[in-house]
Amino acid sequence: GNSVTQMEGPVTLSEEAFLTINCTYTATGYPSLFWYVQYPGEGLQLLLKATKADDKGSNKGFEATYRKETTSFHLEKGSVQVSDSAVYFCALTSGGTGANNLFFGTGTRLTVIP
Amino acid sequence: DAGVTQSPTHLIKTRGQQVTLRCSPISGHKSVSWYQQVLGQGPQFIFQYYEKEERGRGNFPDRFSARQFPNYSSELNVNALLLGDSALYLCASSLGLLRQGRDYGYTFGSGTRLTVV
Repeated sequence: GNSVTQMEGPVTLSEEAFLTINCTYTATGYPSLFWYVQYPGEGLQLLLKATKADDKGSNKGFEATYRKETTSFHLEKGSVQVSDSAVYFCALTSGGTGANNLFFGTGTRLTVIP
Repeated sequence: DAGVTQSPTHLIKTRGQQVTLRCSPISGHKSVSWYQQVLGQGPQFIFQYYEKEERGRGNFPDRFSARQFPNYSSELNVNALLLGDSALYLCASSLGLLRQGRDYGYTFGSGTRLTVV
């Protein structure tokens, strides 16, 4: 089946610290992988994605590389800001054709302190 | 351009009642999906509709139903509400279904917060 396992939080970092949030997956077929971010009181926003092995997704200083050999898609940022405080969700779609619903991890809450 | 709009934003219902949530997709998007997000958890897939037909269903009881209208907007209905149905219900729209080698991606609305008392 399809599932996503995410690093449990919460994570608290000082401004300008390095961020890593671990994500591993189990999937049938050839999944696409995503990171979504949820700010307080809001819906989900796509942060970045990768659709095949060895692709690197990047946006707003965040990066993640699709590693098929380790079934991982870890999120990294070199220098976090207070405005990055949010809940981060790793997700996948199962590939193939037809319905392509997202499977989400449980989320990791990040708090960045000045 | 308007994003995905959901209504109402907040709702309080009593156990046993029925509720209808509404979603308008981004203009031109033909697929609408519904997700349930219980506090502290990741969203769980409920339904996907495309061209007014159900194209996917998650592991939810028959109390949950949905439909899509000719203008591609959608409604999610939940009957016989339970306390455990309290959650944020998210709607996501997409241009279409997955095709070989092409993933259209989703845009999410801000959700409807349902509280069952």
